[in-house]
Amino acid sequence: LAKTTQPISMDSYEGQEVNITCSHNNIATNDYITWYQQFPSQGPRFIIQGYKTKVTNEVASLFIPADRKSSTLSLPRVSLSDTAVYYCLVGDLIYNQGGKLIFGQGTELSVKP
Amino acid sequence: NAGVMQNPRHLVRRRGQEARLRCSPMKGHSHVYWYRQLPEEGLKFMVYLQKENIIDESGMPKERFSAEFPKEGPSILRIQQVVRGDSAAYFCASSPPFGTERTDTQYFGPGTRLTVL
Repeated sequence: LAKTTQPISMDSYEGQEVNITCSHNNIATNDYITWYQQFPSQGPRFIIQGYKTKVTNEVASLFIPADRKSSTLSLPRVSLSDTAVYYCLVGDLIYNQGGKLIFGQGTELSVKP
Repeated sequence: NAGVMQNPRHLVRRRGQEARLRCSPMKGHSHVYWYRQLPEEGLKFMVYLQKENIIDESGMPKERFSAEFPKEGPSILRIQQVVRGDSAAYFCASSPPFGTERTDTQYFGPGTRLTVL
């Protein structure tokens, strides 16, 4: 599974757009990029997943450049409730035995009023 | 559709006692995973099970820890003779059968917070 690197922490203010970038230089051809969100004292929650270009859902957008060596999670107009740890994961579990997710340290996003 | 359910939410044990953590996957899900999160650390994979089978237990400590997912009933993570270092949040996740959604889309429960006195 490709190793990922993301900032340990980020600060933002309510109403701003937040972009969290994840580096995955060794991403393999079959790998997808998946982001999870974890609030304090809760289990992680799937946010978004993509393979290339751009993916958007009701929560976030995911931008993936052509070389796929990085990806950016974009949260529009954050609120206090978006304060959480955001994890970037890279892998292709369909071809992997085990089905396990490998979590890094994540990015701790703090949204201030 | 109820999500992944875990119980108890909080569990206190004294050193040497046994801890049993239960996980009921989402309806229709046949894959169960257990993860552990130590204080101030990220989540670490422990074990992956399908009904009546352990598929990958590479993250399980070799001693005192066991897991099962019987044909009927919830998945159980069992920790024998607990020690203070076992204090952590234990999360269960489930995913649907192969051929539906991707198995890297896992649905997590609220966790069981184990405190060993």
